[in-house]
Amino acid sequence: DAKTTQPPSMDCAEGRAANLPCNHSTISGNEYVYWYRQIHSQGPQYIIHGLKNNETNEMASLIITEDRKSSTLILPHATLRDTAVYYCIASLSGNTPLVFGKGTRLSVIA
Amino acid sequence: DAGVIQSPRHEVTEMGQEVTLRCKPISGHDYLFWYRQTMMRGLELLIYFNNNVPIDDSGMPEDRFSAKMPNASFSTLKIQPSEPRDSAVYFCASSLNWLAGPLQETQYFGPGTRLLVL
Repeated sequence: DAKTTQPPSMDCAEGRAANLPCNHSTISGNEYVYWYRQIHSQGPQYIIHGLKNNETNEMASLIITEDRKSSTLILPHATLRDTAVYYCIASLSGNTPLVFGKGTRLSVIA
Repeated sequence: DAGVIQSPRHEVTEMGQEVTLRCKPISGHDYLFWYRQTMMRGLELLIYFNNNVPIDDSGMPEDRFSAKMPNASFSTLKIQPSEPRDSAVYFCASSLNWLAGPLQETQYFGPGTRLLVL
């Protein structure tokens, strides 16, 4: 699996968009980018995944650069409940189970 | 569906005692994973099962740890004897199918068991 690099922490004002970056410069052509988050005292929760194209679901949007070396998770209107650790993972589908790094601790501030 | 169920939610025990953590995966999910989370080491995969068969236990710390899955709806992680360094949050997760594409490989985590070994 490709190594990913995320900032250790970020702040975001409530109601604003939260843009969480992830660097995966060694990603291979068939590795997916997955995002999970972990709210305090809970287990990690799947958010979104993508391969090449940008993706959007009810939780977030995922923007992947054309060279696939980095991506950004966007929470369009952050709320206090979005305060969590966000994990970016690059992995082959059907390979080994996901390996979680340190993630980015997002604090949404009122 | 109730999601992945883990019990107990909290466990406090003394060094040397046996600890058994339990997990009920989501019905119909073929894969079950056990993770351990600590501040120092983050979230570590311990072992995972496919259709009740252990596939990879290379993450199990040592022989004091053992995991079983006697049927599709139940798994246990046992620590015997327990030590203070085993104190952590233990998560169980399940997924539908590991070789059917990323959506069906989505892992659903339980609430975790917080273990404190004194």
